[in-house]
Amino acid sequence: QQPVQSPQAVILREGEDAVINCSSSKALYSVHWYRQKHGEAPVFLMILLKGGEQKGHDKISASFNEKKQQSSLYLTASQLSYSGTYFCGTESGQTSYDKVIFGPGTSLSVIP
Amino acid sequence: DGGITQSPKYLFRKEGQNVTLSCEQNLNHDAMYWYRQDPGQGLRLIYYSQIVNDFQKGDIAEGYSVSREKKESFPLTVTSAQKNPTAFYLCASSSAGGTQITQYFGPGTRLTVL
Repeated sequence: QQPVQSPQAVILREGEDAVINCSSSKALYSVHWYRQKHGEAPVFLMILLKGGEQKGHDKISASFNEKKQQSSLYLTASQLSYSGTYFCGTESGQTSYDKVIFGPGTSLSVIP
Repeated sequence: DGGITQSPKYLFRKEGQNVTLSCEQNLNHDAMYWYRQDPGQGLRLIYYSQIVNDFQKGDIAEGYSVSREKKESFPLTVTSAQKNPTAFYLCASSSAGGTQITQYFGPGTRLTVL
């Protein structure tokens, strides 16, 4: 079942912060985050495994709440280069591998 | 450089024709995937393969076929049975197994049916 992402779209001014949420009705093994610019391939941002961990690099970080089957992506002090569509992908099951189901995406636009 | 290549970048076909999209990877990955992306929608899984000579249907396999004769290649055929084939097609690969499996995507093929 496809995960739900919110918001569908967001517009930010440079320097502002944003949070993108991803939730699933199924027990999750991992959550993957990707960013896609228009007409290009998705680019991997990070993966979080069950255990409630938080990850991040530079000004983009994410958390994974296993009990709530939710993950949030945090973008701080946004830059123009952050614009794109952000997808979460969820992996269910107890094995270390299962197919990843992607959400519908959140469109993020950063304006000067 | 290691990576995934897809060809062609743009493809036009007439209704009723089969067409094959190429996907090659030199990352030595065991698993490969095909996704379809429509405007404003996420990535929907068509087929995936975890090992050579084996593949599984994804969520929208009807009207598509694949083969996995070599580890580095996973071609997708869009058949005439696919009723609405115009879309952006993405191929990806990952190393199977392990606890952190990142999918690496190719640049995509945009298919338009005339």
